[in-house]
Amino acid sequence: EAGVAQSPRYKIIEKRQSVAFWCNPISGHATLYWYQQILGQGPKLLIQFQNNGVVDDSQLPKDRFSAERLKGVDSTLKIQPAKLEDSAVYLCASSTRTSGSIYEQFFGPGTRLTVL
Amino acid sequence: EDKVVQSPLSLVVHEGDTVTLNCSYEVTNFRSLLWYKQEKKAPTFLFMLTSSGIEKKSGRLSSILDKKELFSILNITATQTGDSAVYLCASGAWGSGTYKYIFGTGTRLKVLA
Repeated sequence: EAGVAQSPRYKIIEKRQSVAFWCNPISGHATLYWYQQILGQGPKLLIQFQNNGVVDDSQLPKDRFSAERLKGVDSTLKIQPAKLEDSAVYLCASSTRTSGSIYEQFFGPGTRLTVL
Repeated sequence: EDKVVQSPLSLVVHEGDTVTLNCSYEVTNFRSLLWYKQEKKAPTFLFMLTSSGIEKKSGRLSSILDKKELFSILNITATQTGDSAVYLCASGAWGSGTYKYIFGTGTRLKVLA
């Protein structure tokens, strides 16, 4: 079974520039998550999709971040304009039901963003 | 507010030592406790625990959940330098009609040769 794919793996931009990240979840996984992980911290949920609908974007800085999941498969996360504090690893994950009401989550390799 | 707390924040041991990592949680509608190992970027899945008192084991790693006291431990025996990583725990729970995960800040383990 192929894992969660993400690209690019690394990105360096200057502040106020734009950047986009791409994620392809595991086939058949309806739920997709974007996390931001700042150095020394645990992953923080930015946005969660169920199929192509947003179910939680309460921690997404909507003035600069946007995300979409067209057709309920691939997803893109965009930052425009970037700030220095956006430097982090952006992790995409997808999940599937294992039994009953329990879901198991798998992560992609992540994108390390450096904003100069 | 839901939270997951890990301790210690960091740990340095020598090869061959046994370590115990702790994870406590206060989460509404809790369903599962997950452990991940994060070496460079992406967390890799170790265990998912849903029932109290049932130990899960994989090689030198084992984990157990106590749903009464709201904590889990991850044990690593006979540590090796390759065990050096950040270990994350996360709770899986239902909230607002969706299943979500809340992560702790991780325990950074360094194993010295």
